[in-house]
Amino acid sequence: DIQMTQSPSSLSASVGDRVTITCRASQGISNYLAWYQQKPGKVPKLLIYAASTLQSGVPSRFSGSGSGTDFTLTISSLQPEDVATYYCQKYNSAPPPTFGQGTKVEIK
Amino acid sequence: EVQLLESGGGLVQPGGSLRLSCAASGFTFSSYAMSWVRQAPGKGLEWVSAISGSGGSTYYADSVKGRFTISRDNSKNTLYLQMNSLRAEDTAVYYCAKFVHPFVVVTAETDAFDIWGQGTMVTVSS
Repeated sequence: DIQMTQSPSSLSASVGDRVTITCRASQGISNYLAWYQQKPGKVPKLLIYAASTLQSGVPSRFSGSGSGTDFTLTISSLQPEDVATYYCQKYNSAPPPTFGQGTKVEIK
Repeated sequence: EVQLLESGGGLVQPGGSLRLSCAASGFTFSSYAMSWVRQAPGKGLEWVSAISGSGGSTYYADSVKGRFTISRDNSKNTLYLQMNSLRAEDTAVYYCAKFVHPFVVVTAETDAFDIWGQGTMVTVSS
């Protein structure tokens, strides 16, 4: 199975900072990569799919990039409501649709 | 409004069984493959199982294969997860989730999940 590795595991940044989270696949997955946001005690929410397609209703400060094995989620200007754990998920041809281990984002 | 609502969670002894349900509304249920995803307390997301829109194809994580059965009743717009031989490590919040795109063939492809239920807690303990 393809493994997904996120870095860092956690980060602390100031309001207004640019934040970048990385996700690496153990094999190439083209652009079959999604990002989710899970706020404390809440349900996961799809932010981005196909590596860079913003889900409807998601603020434009979120963006995704990458292809093959290396992907990034960027928050251009961190807001207090962005405090959450972020997960990547691969969904290329072969199941299972594996998740990364998560990156916890906090406000400094 | 597109909505998923799980039910059926609870406390069960090791070796016991439980059936989860997920009632769907607001979309053409039979056109979409569906999945179950779980999250152990304080841990990350783990995909459990998927089923095609027709119900004819299913796929399971190795950790639950042979113990869990996913099914659906398209006449009732409801997804199920029958869980047998439960273990302590199955303790988690179980979410049902809808694939982004219709007509995904779950044995050959997967997808992202755009709609999630609120989750139902399953606790396996004596």
